Amino acid sequence: DAGVTQSPTHLIKTRGQQVTLRCSPKSGHDTVSWYQQALGQGPQFIFQYYEEEERQRGNFPDRFSGHQFPNYSSELNVNALLLGDSALYLCASRLLLGYAYNEQFFGPGTRLTVL
Amino acid sequence: KQEVTQIPAALSVPEGENLVLNCSFTDSAIYNLQWFRQDPGKGLTSLLLIQSSQREQTSGRLNASLDKSSGRSTLYIAASQPGDSATYLCAVSPGGSQGNLIFGKGTKLSVKP
Repeated sequence: DAGVTQSPTHLIKTRGQQVTLRCSPKSGHDTVSWYQQALGQGPQFIFQYYEEEERQRGNFPDRFSGHQFPNYSSELNVNALLLGDSALYLCASRLLLGYAYNEQFFGPGTRLTVL
Repeated sequence: KQEVTQIPAALSVPEGENLVLNCSFTDSAIYNLQWFRQDPGKGLTSLLLIQSSQREQTSGRLNASLDKSSGRSTLYIAASQPGDSATYLCAVSPGGSQGNLIFGKGTKLSVKP
């Protein structure tokens, strides 16, 4: 049973560029969430996708956008990159059965470095 | 606004010792609480999930308790091993949310042989 997968593993960009990160959820899961984890901090919720729509959003600017595809995979896009966007980006998936009661599973993350 | 705090920030113990990690949250209206393990530079591994109606969950040498009314959870690790060295994160799913998690900053555990 494949777990949550993310690509790429590492990415280096320069300020002002745009980046796309990808996530495939655990088999059988239909809901994908994205988190940003700065060094030494806990992950911060960016947004959640279900049925190809953004269902909930954390306190992140519009430069952060996403998409969910019919096969439940998801992309996170960040425009006009800032140095402060350097972080580990984590994708999590779960099955939206029982609403918020289900365990979330995380992928290995994408390490983004902005120079 | 829900806030999650983990104490201590770091902990070093000799192998074989039993230990307790603490997590507190400011709003008792939660759906569940989840404990995770994170190795350096890696993703999160789910350890235990406690629903708001439960008091504790056990998995192997791990036992997590939840006291929702006081806003506290503890993760008990029995007979610690060097392989337990990692950062342990606590996260709550706030009531009224659609399942997003609010995390503490974690406790960095080092188990010395």
